[in-house]
Amino acid sequence: SQQGEEDPQALSIQEGENATMNCSYKTSINNLQWYRQNSGRGLVHLILIRSNEREKHSGRLRVTLDTSKKSSSLLITASRAADTASYFCATDARSRNNDMRFGAGTRLTVKP
Amino acid sequence: DTAVSQTPKYLVTQMGNDKSIKCEQNLGHDTMYWYKQDSKKFLKIMFSYNNKELIINETVPNRFSPKSPDKAHLNLHINSLELGDSAVYFCASSLGQFNQPQHFGDGTRLSIL
Repeated sequence: SQQGEEDPQALSIQEGENATMNCSYKTSINNLQWYRQNSGRGLVHLILIRSNEREKHSGRLRVTLDTSKKSSSLLITASRAADTASYFCATDARSRNNDMRFGAGTRLTVKP
Repeated sequence: DTAVSQTPKYLVTQMGNDKSIKCEQNLGHDTMYWYKQDSKKFLKIMFSYNNKELIINETVPNRFSPKSPDKAHLNLHINSLELGDSAVYFCASSLGQFNQPQHFGDGTRLSIL
């Protein structure tokens, strides 16, 4: 069964705007990761945030984690056409032998 | 200098055939995985190997069997292919089992005729 659920399923914005994607999950986690997938390619790791962390930054990416609400958000600032991709959240938990569970992703389109 | 490479990239075959997909990583990672991504983009873990031991085996039909000749390779064998096996299969690796990012190959698109 899927663990993470991304919202929205699809998002279309203009270059330069910010993009926010959300992820909700159901069980307690050790960490949550965000990945990007370009069309026809494998997933690329973006950020890992541990359950005791609330916020992490990496360049134009900002990830927040609210364990009380079992949710996370990924913010991409000053978006570029090259950010067009699908974005997935993934969670792991020791109760599941630590295997990672992915959501179905948010398809982001950044128009030039 | 590809980190995780899998072959072939495309595989078109008929129902009932047996096929294999190969995966190699040159990152020195201890753990390797196989995922299946369906047409709706859901990514589901199938297997993972840590130091040549199977540590996860989801509810995958026994027609699928992972084989790891060494730490850098995890191949996927599929017997008696069925229409529902059509999907993109991804290999991945990570340094250890816990709290580690995974590095993915570019996938093998399997189409069953």
